[in-house]
Amino acid sequence: GAVVSQHPSWVICKSGTSVKIECRSLDFQATTMFWYRQFPKQSLMLMATSNEGSKATYEQGVEKDKFLINHASLTLSTLTVTSAHPEDSSFYICSARVPSSGNTIYFGEGSWLTVV
Amino acid sequence: DAKTTQPTSMDCAEGRAANLPCNHSTISGNEYVYWYRQIHSQGPQYIIHGLKNNETNEMASLIITEDRKSSTLILPHATLRDTAVYYCIVGDGGSQGNLIFGKGTKLSVKP
Repeated sequence: GAVVSQHPSWVICKSGTSVKIECRSLDFQATTMFWYRQFPKQSLMLMATSNEGSKATYEQGVEKDKFLINHASLTLSTLTVTSAHPEDSSFYICSARVPSSGNTIYFGEGSWLTVV
Repeated sequence: DAKTTQPTSMDCAEGRAANLPCNHSTISGNEYVYWYRQIHSQGPQYIIHGLKNNETNEMASLIITEDRKSSTLILPHATLRDTAVYYCIVGDGGSQGNLIFGKGTKLSVKP
């Protein structure tokens, strides 16, 4: 079964609003989670590394004030897309290392965001 | 940038073995070779990984050359549901490292 779960699976929001995506580790603690974005017909692009209890580390070119990441507990990281615009429409995916599986990285199901 | 090179696409007949190659000539001594696949509109699914020895699990086999500069993922009996984009990724097994995705290989399994 899934070890990393995301919610919602898909969301539609109006331009200018904010939307939050949750990433949960199931039955294990994740001090670090990773957020990716994937546009149609493209590969996954790492956006940021989410660290429990501290600030996220963002990849070059990713606006930290637009993509707010909060990792307040060992089982939950959230990505908030603020003031969303149509160009933010994408597939957002999180992942985490699973200690019981030799630190293998497992991915969530992904969350489709459509900004209209 | 991704440290691996994979063919853009491959076809395989249903029931036959699918052999997906990957070049990683700049791999470091402490880096593993990971394989994931992504079926359309889903998150990547872990398949297998290895350091230098060949590995096998219920999904696939991973053959790594002795110099570790290339590897092959083998799906022994491909089914239509194995149609997906397959990503070969190198990375360390540390607790903080992330995975950098290349473009992968689009495998089409045909009846």
